[in-house]
Amino acid sequence: QLQLQESGPGLVKPSETLSLTCSVSGGSISSGSYYWGWIRQPPGKGLEWIGTISYSGSTSYNPSLKSRVTISVDTSKSQFSLRLSPVTAADTAVYYCARLGTLEDNWFDPWGQGTLVTVSS
Amino acid sequence: SYELTQPLSVSVALGQTARITCGGNNIGSKNVHWYQQKPGQAPVLVIYRDSNRPSGIPERFSGSNSGNTATLTISRAQAGDEADYYCQVWDISTVVFGGGTKLTVL
Repeated sequence: QLQLQESGPGLVKPSETLSLTCSVSGGSISSGSYYWGWIRQPPGKGLEWIGTISYSGSTSYNPSLKSRVTISVDTSKSQFSLRLSPVTAADTAVYYCARLGTLEDNWFDPWGQGTLVTVSS
Repeated sequence: SYELTQPLSVSVALGQTARITCGGNNIGSKNVHWYQQKPGQAPVLVIYRDSNRPSGIPERFSGSNSGNTATLTISRAQAGDEADYYCQVWDISTVVFGGGTKLTVL
């Protein structure tokens, strides 16, 4: 059964860089049938898509975050990563990683458990 | 950019049918997916491609999509169905989520 697990610092200072990694287990990250994505949820608010990446490194980003986001993949480690810089308090959120299907199968499943990142000095 | 509109909240009596809508311009031409999120938990896919249920999701959950509105229907609502529900589509290489609907089971 495919599982995803987010990891990274839970506290980041304003103007610095948020870095998270998603580890994929129980399946291959190199399948051409899927993308891998990041989604976030500020406290008490809805879901916001950040971006996605294919195993070959092809990316797509939310236009509202594009200038600050980089998503990368390391197939040798079965991991993909998120960098967001510079951050402000508005970037405080639970960050989820998830698998996204391609073509018409463009839904997220499964999701990681999520990790809370707080931006504060 | 494409937008999805959901009601902030929907209430349903125990055992009755709840309907949660997701509005978007010509959404009937897109594949709509639905997620359930309970407090403190990650979202879970409950409907994909408008009306399909993943393995393990009760038959009480169903979906439809036509025109400018997609609908998630929960029949015989149970207390355990109380959660936030989000619709999602793919639009020109971007993912779009609805704002979410809080379902309360009375």
